[in-house]
Amino acid sequence: EVQLVESGGGLVQPGGSLRLSCEASGFMFSSYAMSWVRQAPGKGLEWVSGISGGVSTTHYADSVKGRFTISRDNSKNTVYLQMNSLRAEDTAVYYCAKEGVRYSIPGYFDYWGQGTVVTVSS
Amino acid sequence: QLVVTQSPSASASLGASVKLTCTLSSEHRTYAIAWHQQRPEKGPRFLMKLNNDGSHNKGDGIPDRFSGSSSGAERYLIISSLQSEDEADYYCQTWATGSWVFGGGTKLTVL
Repeated sequence: EVQLVESGGGLVQPGGSLRLSCEASGFMFSSYAMSWVRQAPGKGLEWVSGISGGVSTTHYADSVKGRFTISRDNSKNTVYLQMNSLRAEDTAVYYCAKEGVRYSIPGYFDYWGQGTVVTVSS
Repeated sequence: QLVVTQSPSASASLGASVKLTCTLSSEHRTYAIAWHQQRPEKGPRFLMKLNNDGSHNKGDGIPDRFSGSSSGAERYLIISSLQSEDEADYYCQTWATGSWVFGGGTKLTVL
């Protein structure tokens, strides 16, 4: 059974930093690209960042480019999102999502985590 | 620019069928999409990948009541025999080199 478990969310002041983690199980983690998707309160889904499975090619939405960094540790089946220079508009539930096809990026998401809440406020 | 558009809301009666629409930008009319369901206060759930030719691959455990079809730049999610648990937000998602794109979502109300 595929499971994605996010952690690391919390309350942070504007300008601060936070590191999110997503631990995966139930599939060959290193073969699949992974992404972070967020949802601001009362809003729709917004893709944030994606990383390939092997050589770790990374992609970012314009809204976070230069502030967020995605990475992965295939030995720990974990993908991370380092968030720096946080702004109020980064407040959202952050979901981890698994790519649907092995060795493919970009593509569709076939599994989602339960989300972790990030609140940026003074 | 790759854009997907959805109507903000839809409604249908318990036991009836409903057809939700996702429209791709015209120059991307051959692209595949995915449909995701998000029930209130829950994370998203993958429903299906829907190709340009209408063929689709559903996620694990998705009931037969959920199906998809395509016509030109439009991609449809059809839900038959509506149940109360189908009341949710439905998002279409597509992708291109270096980016993933979501529609704004359709809030489905089951009357």
